[in-house]
Amino acid sequence: DAKTTQPPSMDCAEGRAANLPCNHSTISGNEYVYWYRQIHSQGPQYIIHGLKNNETNEMASLIITEDRKSSTLILPHATLRDTAVYYCIVRSGGSNYKLTFGKGTLLTVNP
Amino acid sequence: GAVVSQHPSWVICKSGTSVKIECRSLDFQATTMFWYRQFPKQSLMLMATSNEGSKATYEQGVEKDKFLINHASLTLSTLTVTSAHPEDSSFYICSAGSGQGSQPQHFGDGTRLSIL
Repeated sequence: DAKTTQPPSMDCAEGRAANLPCNHSTISGNEYVYWYRQIHSQGPQYIIHGLKNNETNEMASLIITEDRKSSTLILPHATLRDTAVYYCIVRSGGSNYKLTFGKGTLLTVNP
Repeated sequence: GAVVSQHPSWVICKSGTSVKIECRSLDFQATTMFWYRQFPKQSLMLMATSNEGSKATYEQGVEKDKFLINHASLTLSTLTVTSAHPEDSSFYICSAGSGQGSQPQHFGDGTRLSIL
């Protein structure tokens, strides 16, 4: 699976959009980009995933560049409860494949 | 949405005892489940892949005789930490997926294991 690079930490003001970047320059054609987050002392929570098109659900939007070498997770209106470690993971499709977690980005939403 | 249940959420026991952790997929069948371990301020590390009806596949450096995995049905996998010692204290997390297309894996809420 391709390696990902994320900033170690970011801050965001409550109510503002949080934009979390991820670099995956070695991604291959059949690999998806998955985003999870982990709130302290809980299991990771699935947020969103995509292959090459932008995706949106009730939690977030995922913007993937045309060359697929990077992506951005957007939380449109961050709340204090969005404070968590966010993981960007690249993996071949199919949930029977293991996930390799990097260090992620600690997003702190400030009041 | 898909739900994975993990039990117990917290265990405290004496050194030398064995501890069993259960992972259940509540609303889908999971042919494959995964077990992770997370130490404080570190990321999740995959320990093993649990396959229904067959032996688990362990990651390098994980002792298969110490961390026994059983995947007896399509909705249940168990991890038994045998003869646990203080260094086995950690946060253990399972995940499962339906295996359909690009559908994601879903995680349990984890088990905090403390060995005294």
